[in-house]
Amino acid sequence: SQTIHQWPATLVQPVGSPLSLECTVEGTSNPNLYWYRQAAGRGLQLLFYSVGIGQISSEVPQNLSASRPQDRQFILSSKKLLLSDSGFYLCAWSVGGVVLTFGAGSRLTVL
Amino acid sequence: AQSVTQLDSQVPVFEEAPVELRCNYSSSVSVYLFWYVQYPNQGLQLLLKYLSGSTLVKGINGFEAEFNKSQTSFHLRKPSVHISDTAEYFCAVKGDDKIIFGKGTRLHILP
Repeated sequence: SQTIHQWPATLVQPVGSPLSLECTVEGTSNPNLYWYRQAAGRGLQLLFYSVGIGQISSEVPQNLSASRPQDRQFILSSKKLLLSDSGFYLCAWSVGGVVLTFGAGSRLTVL
Repeated sequence: AQSVTQLDSQVPVFEEAPVELRCNYSSSVSVYLFWYVQYPNQGLQLLLKYLSGSTLVKGINGFEAEFNKSQTSFHLRKPSVHISDTAEYFCAVKGDDKIIFGKGTRLHILP
Protein backbone atom coordinates (compact mmCIF):
# COMPACT_ATOMS: atom_id res chain seq x y z
CA SER A 1 0.00 0.00 0.00
CA GLN A 2 1.05 3.58 -0.54
CA THR A 3 2.13 5.79 2.33
CA ILE A 4 3.43 9.31 2.57
CA HIS A 5 5.84 10.52 5.21
CA GLN A 6 6.39 14.13 6.08
CA TRP A 7 8.85 15.55 8.63
CA PRO A 8 9.43 17.26 10.89
CA ALA A 9 5.92 17.41 12.30
CA THR A 10 6.56 20.66 14.12
CA LEU A 11 9.28 23.23 13.79
CA VAL A 12 10.03 26.53 15.53
CA GLN A 13 12.61 28.64 13.75
CA PRO A 14 13.93 32.20 14.16
CA VAL A 15 13.54 34.75 11.41
CA GLY A 16 16.39 34.54 8.94
CA SER A 17 17.18 30.89 9.59
CA PRO A 18 17.08 28.21 6.86
CA LEU A 19 14.31 25.67 6.37
CA SER A 20 14.11 22.15 5.06
CA LEU A 21 10.90 20.11 5.05
CA GLU A 22 11.00 16.65 3.57
CA CYS A 23 8.35 14.43 2.08
CA THR A 24 8.70 10.87 0.81
CA VAL A 25 6.20 8.53 -0.77
CA GLU A 26 6.29 4.76 -0.59
CA GLY A 27 4.55 2.11 -2.62
CA THR A 28 4.18 3.97 -5.88
CA SER A 29 6.34 5.20 -8.72
CA ASN A 30 6.39 8.40 -10.74
CA PRO A 31 3.83 10.21 -8.59
CA ASN A 32 2.88 13.85 -9.03
CA LEU A 33 4.01 15.64 -5.88
CA TYR A 34 2.68 18.83 -4.34
CA TRP A 35 3.48 21.29 -1.55
CA TYR A 36 0.59 23.29 -0.09
CA ARG A 37 0.51 25.80 2.73
CA GLN A 38 -2.51 26.16 4.98
CA ALA A 39 -2.82 29.48 6.80
CA ALA A 40 -5.76 30.61 8.89
CA GLY A 41 -8.52 32.03 6.72
CA ARG A 42 -6.62 31.42 3.49
CA GLY A 43 -7.38 27.80 2.78
CA LEU A 44 -4.82 25.67 0.99
CA GLN A 45 -2.39 27.57 -1.16
CA LEU A 46 -0.51 25.59 -3.81
CA LEU A 47 3.19 26.40 -3.55
CA PHE A 48 4.93 23.91 -5.84
CA TYR A 49 4.14 20.83 -7.83
CA SER A 50 6.28 18.31 -9.67
CA VAL A 51 5.42 15.80 -12.37
CA GLY A 52 8.86 14.18 -12.42
CA ILE A 53 12.43 14.23 -11.11
CA GLY A 54 13.94 17.68 -11.38
CA GLN A 55 10.69 19.16 -12.74
CA ILE A 56 9.35 21.83 -10.41
CA SER A 57 6.57 24.31 -11.09
CA SER A 58 6.25 27.29 -8.77
CA GLU A 59 2.89 28.85 -8.15
CA VAL A 60 3.72 31.59 -5.68
CA PRO A 61 6.80 33.84 -5.98
CA GLN A 62 8.37 34.02 -2.54
CA ASN A 63 11.49 33.01 -0.65
CA LEU A 64 10.66 29.31 -0.72
CA SER A 65 12.01 26.74 -3.15
CA ALA A 66 11.38 23.08 -3.85
CA SER A 67 13.45 20.23 -5.18
CA ARG A 68 12.81 16.65 -6.24
CA PRO A 69 16.13 14.83 -6.11
CA GLN A 70 14.54 11.38 -6.35
CA ASP A 71 11.31 10.04 -7.82
CA ARG A 72 9.54 9.78 -4.48
CA GLN A 73 11.22 12.58 -2.53
CA PHE A 74 10.07 16.21 -2.43
CA ILE A 75 11.86 18.87 -0.38
CA LEU A 76 10.70 22.36 0.55
CA SER A 77 13.45 24.82 1.45
CA SER A 78 14.22 28.38 2.33
CA LYS A 79 17.53 30.14 2.82
CA LYS A 80 16.09 32.81 5.13
CA LEU A 81 12.70 32.45 6.79
CA LEU A 82 10.27 35.34 7.17
CA LEU A 83 7.57 35.75 9.79
CA SER A 84 5.01 35.34 7.03
CA ASP A 85 6.33 31.83 6.30
CA SER A 86 4.61 30.51 9.43
CA GLY A 87 1.88 28.02 8.64
CA PHE A 88 0.93 24.43 8.17
CA TYR A 89 2.73 22.82 5.24
CA LEU A 90 1.18 19.82 3.56
CA CYS A 91 2.79 17.46 1.10
CA ALA A 92 0.55 15.45 -1.20
CA TRP A 93 0.89 12.96 -4.02
CA SER A 94 -1.25 11.60 -6.79
CA VAL A 95 -0.89 8.99 -9.51
CA GLY A 96 -2.45 10.04 -12.74
CA GLY A 97 -2.72 13.53 -11.31
CA VAL A 98 -6.24 13.10 -9.98
CA VAL A 99 -6.93 12.22 -6.36
CA LEU A 100 -4.56 13.68 -3.80
CA THR A 101 -3.31 11.83 -0.75
CA PHE A 102 -1.97 14.14 1.92
CA GLY A 103 0.72 13.73 4.50
CA ALA A 104 0.13 14.59 8.14
CA GLY A 105 1.64 18.04 7.69
CA SER A 106 4.44 20.11 9.20
CA ARG A 107 3.59 23.04 11.43
CA LEU A 108 6.16 25.82 11.10
CA THR A 109 6.33 28.74 13.52
CA VAL A 110 8.75 31.52 12.68
CA LEU A 111 9.61 33.78 15.62
CA ALA B 1 -5.92 28.65 -15.35
CA GLN B 2 -8.53 27.61 -12.85
CA SER B 3 -9.88 29.01 -9.61
CA VAL B 4 -12.27 28.00 -6.86
CA THR B 5 -14.59 30.15 -4.78
CA GLN B 6 -16.21 28.89 -1.61
CA LEU B 7 -18.83 31.46 -0.86
CA ASP B 8 -19.17 30.84 2.88
CA SER B 9 -16.26 30.82 5.29
CA GLN B 10 -18.47 29.43 8.09
CA VAL B 11 -21.81 27.68 8.10
CA PRO B 12 -23.71 27.05 11.36
CA VAL B 13 -26.43 24.42 11.21
CA PHE B 14 -28.50 22.58 13.79
CA GLU B 15 -27.93 18.88 14.29
CA GLU B 16 -30.15 16.72 12.05
CA ALA B 17 -30.85 19.68 9.75
CA PRO B 18 -29.82 19.67 6.06
CA VAL B 19 -26.78 21.58 4.90
CA GLU B 20 -25.38 22.89 1.61
CA LEU B 21 -21.83 24.13 1.22
CA ARG B 22 -21.37 26.18 -1.91
CA CYS B 23 -18.53 25.97 -4.41
CA ASN B 24 -18.06 27.74 -7.73
CA TYR B 25 -15.15 27.26 -10.07
CA SER B 26 -13.72 28.76 -13.21
CA SER B 27 -11.57 27.03 -15.78
CA SER B 28 -10.71 27.32 -19.43
CA VAL B 29 -10.51 23.53 -19.80
CA SER B 30 -12.52 20.54 -18.70
CA VAL B 31 -12.18 19.93 -15.00
CA TYR B 32 -12.25 17.34 -12.32
CA LEU B 33 -13.89 18.48 -9.08
CA PHE B 34 -13.37 17.36 -5.51
CA TRP B 35 -14.47 17.91 -1.95
CA TYR B 36 -11.98 17.23 0.83
CA VAL B 37 -12.66 17.27 4.57
CA GLN B 38 -10.34 18.16 7.42
CA TYR B 39 -11.49 17.10 10.87
CA PRO B 40 -10.05 18.98 13.86
CA ASN B 41 -6.35 18.33 14.30
CA GLN B 42 -6.22 15.93 11.37
CA GLY B 43 -5.04 15.96 7.78
CA LEU B 44 -7.22 16.21 4.68
CA GLN B 45 -9.10 13.27 3.24
CA LEU B 46 -11.15 12.88 0.10
CA LEU B 47 -14.92 13.17 0.60
CA LEU B 48 -16.01 12.74 -3.02
CA LYS B 49 -14.99 13.46 -6.59
CA TYR B 50 -16.48 14.19 -9.99
CA LEU B 51 -14.44 12.96 -12.95
CA SER B 52 -17.12 12.29 -15.58
CA GLY B 53 -20.52 10.66 -16.05
CA SER B 54 -23.39 11.26 -13.67
CA THR B 55 -23.45 14.80 -12.37
CA LEU B 56 -24.64 13.65 -8.94
CA VAL B 57 -21.84 12.04 -7.00
CA LYS B 58 -22.04 10.38 -3.63
CA GLY B 59 -19.25 10.34 -1.09
CA ILE B 60 -18.49 9.10 2.35
CA ASN B 61 -20.53 9.85 5.46
CA GLY B 62 -23.75 10.55 3.57
CA PHE B 63 -22.49 13.54 1.61
CA GLU B 64 -23.26 14.16 -2.04
CA ALA B 65 -22.49 16.86 -4.57
CA GLU B 66 -23.90 17.90 -7.91
CA PHE B 67 -21.83 19.13 -10.83
CA ASN B 68 -23.59 21.92 -12.69
CA LYS B 69 -21.62 22.89 -15.77
CA SER B 70 -23.83 25.80 -16.81
CA GLN B 71 -23.56 27.40 -13.38
CA THR B 72 -19.94 26.24 -12.87
CA SER B 73 -20.88 24.96 -9.46
CA PHE B 74 -20.21 21.87 -7.37
CA HIS B 75 -22.21 22.31 -4.18
CA LEU B 76 -21.92 19.81 -1.34
CA ARG B 77 -25.04 18.61 0.48
CA LYS B 78 -26.09 16.38 3.32
CA PRO B 79 -29.75 15.82 4.25
CA SER B 80 -29.13 15.48 7.98
CA VAL B 81 -25.93 16.50 9.73
CA HIS B 82 -24.43 14.99 12.84
CA ILE B 83 -22.13 16.49 15.44
CA SER B 84 -19.32 14.36 13.99
CA ASP B 85 -19.56 16.35 10.74
CA THR B 86 -17.89 19.30 12.48
CA ALA B 87 -14.92 19.98 10.22
CA GLU B 88 -13.53 22.23 7.55
CA TYR B 89 -14.55 21.39 4.00
CA PHE B 90 -12.50 22.26 0.95
CA CYS B 91 -13.61 22.32 -2.66
CA ALA B 92 -10.89 21.69 -5.25
CA VAL B 93 -10.56 21.75 -9.04
CA LYS B 94 -8.08 20.13 -11.37
CA GLY B 95 -7.80 21.46 -14.92
CA ASP B 96 -4.24 20.66 -15.86
CA ASP B 97 -1.46 19.35 -13.63
CA LYS B 98 -2.42 21.67 -10.81
CA ILE B 99 -5.05 21.02 -8.16
CA ILE B 100 -6.38 24.28 -6.75
CA PHE B 101 -8.31 24.53 -3.48
CA GLY B 102 -10.84 27.00 -2.21
CA LYS B 103 -10.40 28.80 1.09
CA GLY B 104 -12.55 26.31 2.96
CA THR B 105 -15.86 26.36 4.78
CA ARG B 106 -16.05 25.60 8.49
CA LEU B 107 -19.16 23.62 9.34
CA HIS B 108 -20.41 24.26 12.89
CA ILE B 109 -23.02 21.84 14.16
CA LEU B 110 -25.30 23.38 16.78
CA PRO B 111 -26.93 21.12 19.39
